[in-house]
Amino acid sequence: QKEVEQDPGPLSVPEGAIVSLNCTYSNSAFQYFMWYRQYSRKGPELLMYTYSSGNKEDGRFTAQVDKSSKYISLFIRDSQPSDSATYLCAMSYNAGNNRKLIWGLGTSLAVNP
Amino acid sequence: DARVTQTPRDKVTEMGQEVTMRCQPILGHNTVFWYRQTMMQGLELLAYFRNRAPLDDSGMPKDRFSAEMPDATLATLKIQPSEPRDSAVYFCASGASGPGELFFGEGSRLTVL
Repeated sequence: QKEVEQDPGPLSVPEGAIVSLNCTYSNSAFQYFMWYRQYSRKGPELLMYTYSSGNKEDGRFTAQVDKSSKYISLFIRDSQPSDSATYLCAMSYNAGNNRKLIWGLGTSLAVNP
Repeated sequence: DARVTQTPRDKVTEMGQEVTMRCQPILGHNTVFWYRQTMMQGLELLAYFRNRAPLDDSGMPKDRFSAEMPDATLATLKIQPSEPRDSAVYFCASGASGPGELFFGEGSRLTVL
């Protein structure tokens, strides 16, 4: 079993829909939780970064961490065709050790106009 | 506009040939990572450098892969001899110490026939 599980999709939604993307993990030592977005034939780019539990909001994007359930979510409100991409979750044991980024496989999202 | 630069973008080669991929990290970043991405395995960490010193290459097949940082502006990943199972997209990423994002290059897409 992988340390981080992420449904690869694909997920297809109409423009304007609310999108929910999720990852589960098994190691309670993870403290830093990230969501990266990857467009086709591009490298991943950081979208959201959260420490420990709680919510973080940035425009149309909200990241949630539930450490008791070992579950993280990314919500996209008013989804746009430009949001069509693969979304990868990543987790880290501690701040100074970037090496320990453990990645989900990524969820492919298509937002249809 | 600071960015991680990778070459080549695409490489098609025959089994047994040597492949060298190059990366120019963002100026001032002291950590450099090499990742391999496939549909089945997702992002796999191959090697990690901090201040040009190799810290971890446990994810790299030692018999055929090697990674170096001859200077602060260049990281290389070499495969010799290449095999069809090495076909993947190879990403270089750089970052600063401590918590924060990784900046990825656009990747080198390798096809070994």
